[in-house]
Amino acid sequence: AQSVAQPEDQVKVAEGNPLTVKCTYSVSGNPYLFWYVQYPNRGLQFLLKYITGDNLVKGSYGFEAEFNKSQTSFHLKKPSALVSDSALYFCAVRGSEDNFNKFYFGSGTKLNVKP
Amino acid sequence: NAGVMQNPRHLVRRRGQEARLRCSPMKGHSHVYWYRQLPEEGLKFMVYLQKENIIDESGMPKERFSAEFPKEGPSILRIQQVVRGDSAAYFCASSLRTDNYGYTFGSGTRLTVV
Repeated sequence: AQSVAQPEDQVKVAEGNPLTVKCTYSVSGNPYLFWYVQYPNRGLQFLLKYITGDNLVKGSYGFEAEFNKSQTSFHLKKPSALVSDSALYFCAVRGSEDNFNKFYFGSGTKLNVKP
Repeated sequence: NAGVMQNPRHLVRRRGQEARLRCSPMKGHSHVYWYRQLPEEGLKFMVYLQKENIIDESGMPKERFSAEFPKEGPSILRIQQVVRGDSAAYFCASSLRTDNYGYTFGSGTRLTVV
């Protein structure tokens, strides 16, 4: 079975500080991992994905994520947070084999960047 | 390219009424997916459709919910006899192919049942 866990409901950081939003996954087979961001009353915007290759994936708006197979984690990171990064962040894993057309989302982490 | 268009953005229905949610995929995309986001939760898969075919409806409630993606026109998610528990944000996504690794999501329809 595929699943994603985001252990933190909320993350608070000061502007200019580095941020990390945590995600762990469970999947049979090779994981296809994604991060999406949701601003209030908006749809989901794609940030980045890991399919294969380098464990460090770079995405939109200066975000990056590190795939760690041994820890089954895919944490989202940014070296210097902006107030405008405040939003709801979702980690997702694509299903394998018969469930390839489904995404399994975490419950979301609210990022609050303070000026 | 207008992206994935969903309408209406907000929909209010009284208990027992029908709700119709529309989704126009990105130009050229023939695969459509519907997800539901309950308050304070992540998105949950409902149904995957291609033109004129339902491919996977394993996430759809057994009763009152139906979806279609006709040869012409948008995909429709239909909820009959709505109840308060149907209040949620419903998101549509589309992709070019099944092996495409990313969806494009619409802005969602927020359904409120009063």
